[in-house]
Amino acid sequence: LAKTTQPISMDSYEGQEVNITCSHNNIATNDYITWYQQFPSQGPRFIIQGYKTKVTNEVASLFIPADRKSSTLSLPRVSLSDTAVYYCLYTRGQNFVFGPGTRLSVLP
Amino acid sequence: DGGITQSPKYLFRKEGQNVTLSCEQNLNHDAMYWYRQDPGQGLRLIYYSQIVNDFQKGDIAEGYSVSREKKESFPLTVTSAQKNPTAFYLCASTSSGNTIYFGEGSWLTVV
Repeated sequence: LAKTTQPISMDSYEGQEVNITCSHNNIATNDYITWYQQFPSQGPRFIIQGYKTKVTNEVASLFIPADRKSSTLSLPRVSLSDTAVYYCLYTRGQNFVFGPGTRLSVLP
Repeated sequence: DGGITQSPKYLFRKEGQNVTLSCEQNLNHDAMYWYRQDPGQGLRLIYYSQIVNDFQKGDIAEGYSVSREKKESFPLTVTSAQKNPTAFYLCASTSSGNTIYFGEGSWLTVV
């Protein structure tokens, strides 16, 4: 059974680096790993996507070990506006397997 | 601008009524999806469609119906058979199968 797990919640302070890890068993060879950010009453927004090793864009980095059974989203120097729920997901055939989401609270 | 448009943003349903949520995309994506999100919870798949005139049930399809008569449109009807429909509904689409794009969501409340 495909399953994705994430920590339920995390707290951080402004200016700190935050790392959120997702475990995804049964990920298939061709599946990509994607992370989304969701604010209340809004649709999830794409943050970053990767297949293996490390990917970096203007807002985050994504680390994927060689076995690809987990991934870590890294948010450098978070601000109050980064308070949101973060979801990891990967594809499963024609659909997407979402993690339960991690609620990140950034404190001043 | 390209994107996914959901309407209305807020909808109220009386007991026993059917209501329809609209989802339109101009991204030329083949696949479209409907998810339900209860407050403080994750996303659950209701229905999805990979191609026009074809759709498949997701994990929680009971009490819902969909149609896919046009590539850009995938409306969701919440029927009276859905006993607990109050939730946030999200429409999404994809072309590559690796990246999914979401609309801004619609709130449905039973009154």
